[in-house]
Amino acid sequence: GDSVTQMEGPVTLSEEAFLTINCTYTATGYPSLFWYVQYPGEGLQLLLKATKADDKGSNKGFEATYRKETTSFHLEKGSVQVSDSAVYFCALSARPFQAAGNKLTFGGGTRVLVKP
Amino acid sequence: EAGVAQSPRYKIIEKRQSVAFWCNPISGHATLYWYQQILGQGPKLLIQFQNNGVVDDSQLPKDRFSAERLKGVDSTLKIQPAKLEDSAVYLCASSLRSGRETQYFGPGTRLLVL
Repeated sequence: GDSVTQMEGPVTLSEEAFLTINCTYTATGYPSLFWYVQYPGEGLQLLLKATKADDKGSNKGFEATYRKETTSFHLEKGSVQVSDSAVYFCALSARPFQAAGNKLTFGGGTRVLVKP
Repeated sequence: EAGVAQSPRYKIIEKRQSVAFWCNPISGHATLYWYQQILGQGPKLLIQFQNNGVVDDSQLPKDRFSAERLKGVDSTLKIQPAKLEDSAVYLCASSLRSGRETQYFGPGTRLLVL
């Protein structure tokens, strides 16, 4: 079945450090890939997405590139801030063009803590 | 634009009791999803509605969980009777339609079963 594996946290780093969160997936066909973020006390928010191979999603300084050859969608940010402290979830939608079955399959989440 | 609304935000019940959660999706969104997020894990889809019809309930424990979406707008998710392992955050999400549409999530209902 479809699955998403992401690095376990917590990841603790200092402000202005470089952040990478690894994400790999297993799915048939051509899934859409997403990163969602969950700030403390808030709901899930879409951070970025990519819908086909080699697409790069970007938002708020975060980037991720859809790599079909390595089935990966790693999240990166060049200089993190304290406000980036949150839990980050990688997810896929395996059959995006079908009325049924475009459910999101999530990884386990990675907690990131940025210290001043 | 108002987001996805959920209530209650928190609920504590004893095992074997029943509980219901309510969700109001973003206006005009045809597709509605209920996810269960157990502490330390990613959300898992329980049920997906397209308008008022069910399109995927393969992961819904139907012996105790039920959900409905009357009139294709708001939805309720019910657990009866609850078990300890049902303690989780129940997330509602909606999208304009199925396909490559972004899903927008509500704040969730945190359930604790004692």
